[in-house]
Amino acid sequence: GAVVSQHPSWVICKSGTSVKIECRSLDFQATTMFWYRQFPKQSLMLMATSNEGSKATYEQGVEKDKFLINHASLTLSTLTVTSAHPEDSSFYICSANEQGYEQYFGPGTRLTVT
Amino acid sequence: GENVEQHPSTLSVQEGDSAVIKCTYSDSASNYFPWYKQELGKGPQLIIDIRSNVGEKKDQRIAVTLNKTAKHFSLHITETQPEDSAVYFCAARHNAGGTSYGKLTFGQGTILTVHP
Repeated sequence: GAVVSQHPSWVICKSGTSVKIECRSLDFQATTMFWYRQFPKQSLMLMATSNEGSKATYEQGVEKDKFLINHASLTLSTLTVTSAHPEDSSFYICSANEQGYEQYFGPGTRLTVT
Repeated sequence: GENVEQHPSTLSVQEGDSAVIKCTYSDSASNYFPWYKQELGKGPQLIIDIRSNVGEKKDQRIAVTLNKTAKHFSLHITETQPEDSAVYFCAARHNAGGTSYGKLTFGQGTILTVHP
């Protein structure tokens, strides 16, 4: 199957700082990527849909000014958590569609805000 | 919008037994149903999927069945092994066609434990 990577795999930052997470499709082009958030022992919660060359579509209740998404190319989408606070600590996962129905997920990024 | 219910939330079996996880969905327009396996600290891994134009699909020890009338689908794992222990998620999506794909709606997850 297609491969999606994320960087970094884990990050610790201080409260008030910003953190950028990268999501790359390694062997295919993805016009659409998705960003999810997952709390321990819970399901995946879709945060936003990232479209190459256009603005992201955010789910209800997700602050677009806090979670900045940039889909600059067909293989790269970035999520920036601005002015991070301890409640933003979570597991962030991206995914992308290859040509077809299948949606592949990255390995996730563990964010801890102290 | 779509709503996906998944049961059971936890499932414990002995090695070699079969495991069945069930999901129901609410949107009759949904036409794509993947299953993901997630190990601790990792991203979900697509293990099998089914489209609405078929009723069953099998890949070695894993099979998925779909009942469109009842709007439910199930994951069947036979001859379970300890390495099958993980969290399993079902999902549903409506693909409108073309190159634009709708969003997946996930079930709540099932923690499967296979005892040696």
